[in-house]
Amino acid sequence: EVQLLESGGGLGPPGGSLRLSCAGSGFGMYAYDMTWVRQAPGKGLEWVSTVRGSDETTYYEDSVKGRFTISIDNSKNEMYLEMNSLGVDDTAVYYCAKFGSSRGHHDALDFWGHGATVTVS
Amino acid sequence: QSVLTQPPSVSGAPGQRVTISCTGTSSNLGATYDVHWYQQVPGTAPKLLIYRNIIRPSGVPGRFSGSRSGTSASLAITGLQAEDEADYYCHSYDDTLSGSVFGGGTKVTV
Repeated sequence: EVQLLESGGGLGPPGGSLRLSCAGSGFGMYAYDMTWVRQAPGKGLEWVSTVRGSDETTYYEDSVKGRFTISIDNSKNEMYLEMNSLGVDDTAVYYCAKFGSSRGHHDALDFWGHGATVTVS
Repeated sequence: QSVLTQPPSVSGAPGQRVTISCTGTSSNLGATYDVHWYQQVPGTAPKLLIYRNIIRPSGVPGRFSGSRSGTSASLAITGLQAEDEADYYCHSYDDTLSGSVFGGGTKVTV
């Protein structure tokens, strides 16, 4: 059974840093594109960043470029999001999610974690 | 401002049919990228409802269906049930952004 479990959320000051982790089980991240999607309080879903499990190619939404770094450790089957220079607009629930097979990050997100709350204040 | 445009809310009585539209641009739906739909009950993670425009994952009831035409897509719920009250999001890929794009979400009230 595929499962994703985020950890590492919490409270951070403006300008500070936080690191999120996403542990996968029931599948190998090396074979899929993985992503972080966030949801600010009372708002909709917003794509943050994607990493290709096979070659670690990365993609970022413009507002986080240069501040956030996505990475993957296939030996641990874990994905990470290092967040620096945090601003109040980064306050959100951060979900890790797995893209479905064959079409990479053009495909649907077939499994999601429960989310990790990040509060910048 | 979301890249994909959805109505903020739709409502219907139990048993009725409702539709949710999702309108994109030439760099996402107009570039023939697939659209996917998610259901999110408040306080929980999104759940995949429809993928690749029209396909229901195993376990999703048949009253949910998707369609697609040009730069637009729709999600239909027939035989609306109280448990369908949730937020619904469309999702696709965008060439210009080189990443995922979502609609702003539609709240369905039964």
